[in-house]
Amino acid sequence: QVQLQESGPGLVKPSETLSLTCSVSGGSINGFYCSWIRQTPGKGLEWIGYIHHSGTTNYNPSLNNRVTISHDTSNNQFSLKLTSVTAADSAIYYCTRGHGWLTDTWGQGILVSVSS
Amino acid sequence: EIVLTQSPHTLSLSPGERATLSCRASQSIVRDYLAWYQQKPGQAPTLLIFAISTRATGIPDRFSGSGSDTDFTLTVNTLEPEDFAVYYCQQYGSAPLTFGGGTKLEI
Repeated sequence: QVQLQESGPGLVKPSETLSLTCSVSGGSINGFYCSWIRQTPGKGLEWIGYIHHSGTTNYNPSLNNRVTISHDTSNNQFSLKLTSVTAADSAIYYCTRGHGWLTDTWGQGILVSVSS
Repeated sequence: EIVLTQSPHTLSLSPGERATLSCRASQSIVRDYLAWYQQKPGQAPTLLIFAISTRATGIPDRFSGSGSDTDFTLTVNTLEPEDFAVYYCQQYGSAPLTFGGGTKLEI
């Protein structure tokens, strides 16, 4: 059974870059769309973007070009970088995998707080 | 961007009853790409229904989805105690992918 696990710092300072990695086990990222989704009490669930195993990416315009999603297919991982963070970027960040754009498998989530 | 509006915000029912949750889209959903997720406290969402009405693997048949165009419904027949959770709809046919605000199903 495929499992996804997010890792990275739980605290990031304002204006810095949030960096998270998703490690996939029990299955491959090849052939799938791998996404990042975040959740806050105020805005609910927000799709951040995806990367396809081919390298194609698609990002949510609401994040104003601050997002980069990359992958390391040899290690079955993909990553998120979000630049110039503010308190509004504090959230639970989930990595997900899916067939097409459907998200069918989620990581457990990682809480990231933005604070000085 | 397609905006999804879920109603009601909170639904109070008892085990054994039927729950009907609504999701309305601001424009037609492309290729019927509408999904429902269930989220329990402290857990990630889990996929229940995709393509409007197809149950995901392992999802009991008391969960059913219906609708078309811009109006969609998730029905949970004969509620079990474990069904009390928050439910989200999502459209995955147009970027940016979007979620509804959720319906909390409570006892």
